[in-house]
Amino acid sequence: GAGVSQSPRYKVAKRGQDVALRCDPISGHVSLFWYQQALGQGPEFLTYFQNEAQLDKSGLPSDRFFAERPEGSVSTLKIQRTQQEDSAVYLCASSLIGQGMGSPLHFGNGTRLTVT
Amino acid sequence: QQQVKQSPQSLIVQKGGISIINCAYENTAFDYFPWYQQFPGKGPALLIAIRPDVSEKKEGRFTISFNKSAKQFSLHIMDSQPGDSATYFCAALRGGSNYKLTFGKGTLLTVNP
Repeated sequence: GAGVSQSPRYKVAKRGQDVALRCDPISGHVSLFWYQQALGQGPEFLTYFQNEAQLDKSGLPSDRFFAERPEGSVSTLKIQRTQQEDSAVYLCASSLIGQGMGSPLHFGNGTRLTVT
Repeated sequence: QQQVKQSPQSLIVQKGGISIINCAYENTAFDYFPWYQQFPGKGPALLIAIRPDVSEKKEGRFTISFNKSAKQFSLHIMDSQPGDSATYFCAALRGGSNYKLTFGKGTLLTVNP
């Protein structure tokens, strides 16, 4: 595809519901990242995959957050028992490998999650 | 602990003027400093990036100035245009990490016609 695709674009969940956010990275990109962006803030790192391996999940806020990338392509970020503080834009990004001068991040347009 | 401090929070510039956004960092292990541009409803897009072994990098109207001793870097937008109106984020990557970007809080730039 032309870029990183995320769905849904908007999600409204009642407090306590589970949600699943999908990310389709750029074809051939080995690395995939999830970031959380609160209103008026910069993105904050959640987790990182290299192919299907989740190499770092240190940014996940709690054990209610779970991410997977079972076949090394599409990734899903799942949030269980959503809370109001989970309301944010969830950004997915991919890169050829890692992140740096020769391998810039390409972000999707995000999923805006609102928990009521 | 905010590892990358960005200022100003917002900036208004007239068309044709120079926009300057500043960032300061604390961790001397950072060795890659990109700037991202984000329009409303879109994801951030890489604008320009620099490594600390150079003091300046220019791409078109966009220039990064880097001061390693002061641990500061800045984005200069020359001949600012209304289409440049967006939120700009500086970021930093720790050497050896190669994946965990730390972002500043952003600067909302408005360029008036």
